Amino acid sequence: DVKVTQSSRYLVKRTGEKVFLECVQDMDHENMFWYRQDPGLGLRLIYFSYDVKMKEKGDIPEGYSVSREKKERFSLILESASTNQTSMYLCASSLLGHLNGYTFGSGTRLTVV
Amino acid sequence: GESVGLHLPTLSVQEGDNSIINCAYSNSASDYFIWYKQESGKGPQFIIDIRSNMDKRQGQRVTVLLNKTVKHLSLQIAATQPGDSAVYFCAEWGTGTASKLTFGTGTRLQVTL
Repeated sequence: DVKVTQSSRYLVKRTGEKVFLECVQDMDHENMFWYRQDPGLGLRLIYFSYDVKMKEKGDIPEGYSVSREKKERFSLILESASTNQTSMYLCASSLLGHLNGYTFGSGTRLTVV
Repeated sequence: GESVGLHLPTLSVQEGDNSIINCAYSNSASDYFIWYKQESGKGPQFIIDIRSNMDKRQGQRVTVLLNKTVKHLSLQIAATQPGDSAVYFCAEWGTGTASKLTFGTGTRLQVTL
């Protein structure tokens, strides 16, 4: 069963901590994405990547960075976590090219206290 | 129906009835559309897609209708079941060099017994 796996379902971190959210896909997809999901705001794109070592800013990149050292793994980094980064984080992947749907992970619910 | 904004529309239907979830999209050049279902605590899952050269596509108990004239998309669920309770998102694939899926804010479907 092909899938996107996010390493943690729930995380609680303190303000100012450096936080790593990990995502791995086993479908050999070129594209990978990080979204955050907040009530009433839908899915907002943070960063995405079309290839290893490549990254592009999404709609809300401030306060985040990403790393893609291997094709199957895409990491989201909160350099200094803040309470307004408390959210559900969703990773997704897709094949390169037009007209391909995304496969999502189950999400990581991050709480920053 | 679904629209960009802070409030998540809710549709309440009785078990066994048909459900219709609506979505207004913004980009007249969009040529691919997807409906996703997100159950509580899980990531979005692909339900059905439709390309812009079609106006109707049917799956198992689900039908997607596309009206390009008024930029409207709908998801019909036949004989709604309790397991259909979830948030439903439409997504559109725009054109251009940085084309990617753009998601609506979602509609919550509540199935009553």
